[in-house]
Amino acid sequence: SQQGEEDPQALSIQEGENATMNCSYKTSINNLQWYRQNSGRGLVHLILIRSNEREKHSGRLRVTLDTSKKSSSLLITASRAADTASYFCATDRNQGGKLIFGQGTELSVKP
Amino acid sequence: EAGVAQSPRYKIIEKRQSVAFWCNPISGHATLYWYQQILGQGPKLLIQFQNNGVVDDSQLPKDRFSAERLKGVDSTLKIQPAKLEDSAVYLCASSRFSGATLNEQFFGPGTRLTVL
Repeated sequence: SQQGEEDPQALSIQEGENATMNCSYKTSINNLQWYRQNSGRGLVHLILIRSNEREKHSGRLRVTLDTSKKSSSLLITASRAADTASYFCATDRNQGGKLIFGQGTELSVKP
Repeated sequence: EAGVAQSPRYKIIEKRQSVAFWCNPISGHATLYWYQQILGQGPKLLIQFQNNGVVDDSQLPKDRFSAERLKGVDSTLKIQPAKLEDSAVYLCASSRFSGATLNEQFFGPGTRLTVL
């Protein structure tokens, strides 16, 4: 079963704009991770936020986590055409490392 | 550090045939995962190994799917017989160990299976 639900399912923006993707989940978690998947390729880990953290930054990425609302958001600032990809949130419920992925947000950045 | 290797990259078979996928994880990674990703969906875990033991295979359709990780290194996933609904990308991932607080998984490029 899918743990996370992502919103929106698809997002199209212009280069230089910011992109925000949201993820909601159902049960308590140990940590939440975001992955990127380019067309025809495997997933690449972007960032991990622990359940006791509220915000984390990595380069142009900013992730927030609200455990009371069981939701997370991924912000990509100053987007580039190369950011075009599908983005997935994945929750770790402390079950031996098992990750449960959401459906993903398909981001298209137009030059 | 070499990444997770998978082969083949693409496979086309007819229904009721059998197929096998191979995965070689990152050296030293104790945990290996197989995921199924149907078009338009997120990956779904099929089976998780810790060294050569199975940790979780609750979502593996055991009547047709099997997996092994002999010697705790590389792994094979087999489907026999294949059904149309098995068409998907099969992803292999590895992590240094399971149960850790920071469990980043490293993914291979996947095998795209088409069942006709």
